[in-house]
Amino acid sequence: DAGVTQSPTHLIKTRGQQVTLRCSPKSGHDTVSWYQQALGQGPQFIFQYYEEEERQRGNFPDRFSGHQFPNYSSELNVNALLLGDSALYLCASSATGTGAYEQYFGPGTRLTVT
Amino acid sequence: DQQVKQNSPSLSVQEGRISILNCDYTNSMFDYFLWYKKYPAEGPTFLISISSIKDKNEDGRFTVFLNKSAKHLSLHIVPSQPGDSAVYFCAANVRNSGNTPLVFGKGTRLSVIA
Repeated sequence: DAGVTQSPTHLIKTRGQQVTLRCSPKSGHDTVSWYQQALGQGPQFIFQYYEEEERQRGNFPDRFSGHQFPNYSSELNVNALLLGDSALYLCASSATGTGAYEQYFGPGTRLTVT
Repeated sequence: DQQVKQNSPSLSVQEGRISILNCDYTNSMFDYFLWYKKYPAEGPTFLISISSIKDKNEDGRFTVFLNKSAKHLSLHIVPSQPGDSAVYFCAANVRNSGNTPLVFGKGTRLSVIA
């Protein structure tokens, strides 16, 4: 049973560019949450998708947007990249429909903005 | 404003001894608390959790204690093993009215010395 998978593993972008990160949830899970983990910090909640809609959002600007597809996989898009967007981006999945709220994390995508 | 605080960035313990990791929180609405373990190049892995209706939860070598009046929880690992060396994150959320996003502390790096 595959766990949460994310792609790519690493990414280097230039300021002002746009980036798309991808996540496939654990089998049987219907909810995807995205977190940003800056160096020396804990993960910070960006937003959560359930039933293809953004259900909750953290304190992140509109440059951060996302999408969930019918197969429950999800994308995180960041526009107009800033140096401060350099971080590890984590995807977590859970099974909201069954009331199982435990979140399982993927290995993350390391984004470096130069 | 940090709602979940882990005031010890690092902790070193000898193999076989007890490791105690501490976490404080400020939001009295939190009713569910979790500990995650993170190895380099991997996503956080769920370790153990506790509901606010309990004051202790045990799973093998891992025990979490919750002191609601002090808004404090701790993770005890007995006996500590070299494989326990990792970064440990404390997290909390509100579950009695839906399922709010996880709020994480900054983490404590545990080193278990053989």
